[in-house]
Amino acid sequence: AQSVTQLDSQVPVFEEAPVELRCNYSSSVSVYLFWYVQYPNQGLQLLLKYLSGSTLVKGINGFEAEFNKSQTSFHLRKPSVHISDTAEYFCALSTSGTYKYIFGTGTRLKVLA
Amino acid sequence: EAGVAQSPRYKIIEKRQSVAFWCNPISGHATLYWYQQILGQGPKLLIQFQNNGVVDDSQLPKDRFSAERLKGVDSTLKIQPAKLEDSAVYLCASSLASGGHGYTFGSGTRLTVV
Repeated sequence: AQSVTQLDSQVPVFEEAPVELRCNYSSSVSVYLFWYVQYPNQGLQLLLKYLSGSTLVKGINGFEAEFNKSQTSFHLRKPSVHISDTAEYFCALSTSGTYKYIFGTGTRLKVLA
Repeated sequence: EAGVAQSPRYKIIEKRQSVAFWCNPISGHATLYWYQQILGQGPKLLIQFQNNGVVDDSQLPKDRFSAERLKGVDSTLKIQPAKLEDSAVYLCASSLASGGHGYTFGSGTRLTVV
């Protein structure tokens, strides 16, 4: 069975500082990995995805993530955050043939002025 | 393109009552998903449709939850009777095909059971 672990439930960070949101996964088969963002009272929006190829993936709003197979991680990073990045971030995986997503429990990013 | 439409946005019901949620996916998207997001947790798949057929409903509590996707377009999710633990946001998502990576989610329906 597959699982996704987001180690940090909340991450406070000052505006213009860098941030890293951690995601680790467990799977015995190859996975596809995703990061979604959820703003208050809204649905989930895809930030970026790793399907294959380059392990460094760039997404929208200046976010990027690096797939590390040996450490089974897919951490999300942004070099300089803005107040508007305050939201909940979800890491998810799926596997070939199912495309059902398994989500982590989410990390609430709070950007402070 | 228009997004995934869901209604209602909010619903408050008493336990043991019934409730229904509606979803209209993006035009042309063959695959439709219903997810349940309980406060403090990540979304959990309830049911996946490919056109009007069910692909995966292994985590749908079938004694009280039902879903249909008539004509392979709109979908309705029903809970009857509701329990307190059904309080959650119900998210609908769609994708081009079962192999389409990256869903488009609707804004969700927030259900409160009192």
